[in-house]
Amino acid sequence: NAGVTQTPKFRVLKTGQSMTLLCAQDMNHEYMYWYRQDPGMGLRLIHYSVGEGTTAKGEVPDGYNVSRLKKQNFLLGLESAAPSQTSVYFCASSPLGNRGDTQYFGPGTRLTVL
Amino acid sequence: GQQVMQIPQYQHVQEGEDFTTYCNSSTTLSNIQWYKQRPGGHPVFLIQLVKSGEVKKQKRLTFQFGEAKKNSSLHITATQTTDVGTYFCAGQGNYGQNFVFGPGTRLSVLP
Repeated sequence: NAGVTQTPKFRVLKTGQSMTLLCAQDMNHEYMYWYRQDPGMGLRLIHYSVGEGTTAKGEVPDGYNVSRLKKQNFLLGLESAAPSQTSVYFCASSPLGNRGDTQYFGPGTRLTVL
Repeated sequence: GQQVMQIPQYQHVQEGEDFTTYCNSSTTLSNIQWYKQRPGGHPVFLIQLVKSGEVKKQKRLTFQFGEAKKNSSLHITATQTTDVGTYFCAGQGNYGQNFVFGPGTRLSVLP
């Protein structure tokens, strides 16, 4: 099992450009999450999904959109990137989210917006 | 909304010294998890605590959940250089909400 994988690992964007981050998991997990990590602020939840075809807003959803068309994939989109979106983005998955299940994290995507 | 704080933000210790990080929630938690993130890596699950006053040990690591289920601690005995990293707590509220992560405690171990 590859676990949770993320594509790409690094990306540099100019302000206003768009991009999509891809997260894939091969553990048949129902729940998937997108977090951003900034220095001194820990992990903040952007959006999450409780199953195929569902998405919901987390703590910091503005400027991002997500889709979960297939159970194993969770996409995070930035329509018009801003310097404030410079961060490290982590995807995670868990079997179920409301029973305190373990979250398994991907390796992260380091995004810089100039 | 629920807030989770951790202290200290940074800790530098000499190898062999003990280390403790504290996690405090603004609301009562149903459970709390601890994760470790090595420099340049991703968070990795360490343990989950569910019961009031629960204490769990993993080799040199001791985890404790407070009686009121609003705070937790992680204690490392006799630190080693392999303990370097950032330790995060993540708390889940009583209504199945998503986990809220604390800002983390970054541990440096000097050989």
